[in-house]
Amino acid sequence: VQLVESGGGLVQPGKSLKLSCSASGFTFSSYGMHWIRQAPGKGLDWVAYISSSSGTVYADAVKGRFTISRDNAKNTLYLQLNSLKSEDTAIYYCARAYFDFWGPGTMVTVSS
Amino acid sequence: DIVLTQSPATLSVTPGESVSLSCRASQGISTSIHWYQQKSNESPRLLIKYASQSISGIPSRFSGSGSGTDFTLSINRVESEDFSVYYCQQSYSLPRTFGSGTKLEIK
Repeated sequence: VQLVESGGGLVQPGKSLKLSCSASGFTFSSYGMHWIRQAPGKGLDWVAYISSSSGTVYADAVKGRFTISRDNAKNTLYLQLNSLKSEDTAIYYCARAYFDFWGPGTMVTVSS
Repeated sequence: DIVLTQSPATLSVTPGESVSLSCRASQGISTSIHWYQQKSNESPRLLIKYASQSISGIPSRFSGSGSGTDFTLSINRVESEDFSVYYCQQSYSLPRTFGSGTKLEIK
């Protein structure tokens, strides 16, 4: 099992960014997937979940601004981040349904 | 949302000591609690699932217990590689929530 995030970077407040999580080593379409973030020096903060049938749930802090999606044909999970704020600055991890496998994370920095 | 409170925030121990880390849930969650270890600049690693179930590849010195609202992660004879941050997380309901972590440091 391998999960690898990409798409992070430096972005201005109010702008958008799209993160990807490439999955391999398991039947991606059969698993729900999560995004979790960790602000610098802080704890873990659950962001969003998408089920194997593409049902979605979001944390209140990102609801209406972030969108989780998946492309089973590409074995890829996505997180669209809109209307970014400085408090969204964090490492963003993807994880499989039961949090048994995590990617190494991708850093998102929101700053002018 | 279910709030998980971990204590202590920091635990200073000598290698070879045995320790217990606590996680308390704001409401009963049966055994839907999981424990993670996070070393500096690494992603979290699952240690224990469903309060007490072991994970393949995790050393046997790690064990978990509890049900309802009170949970414990125990480390029998701490080794140097164990000094890191430990988080609990609940899967009883959405949104999934994590505790704030316990940092295990060398005394």
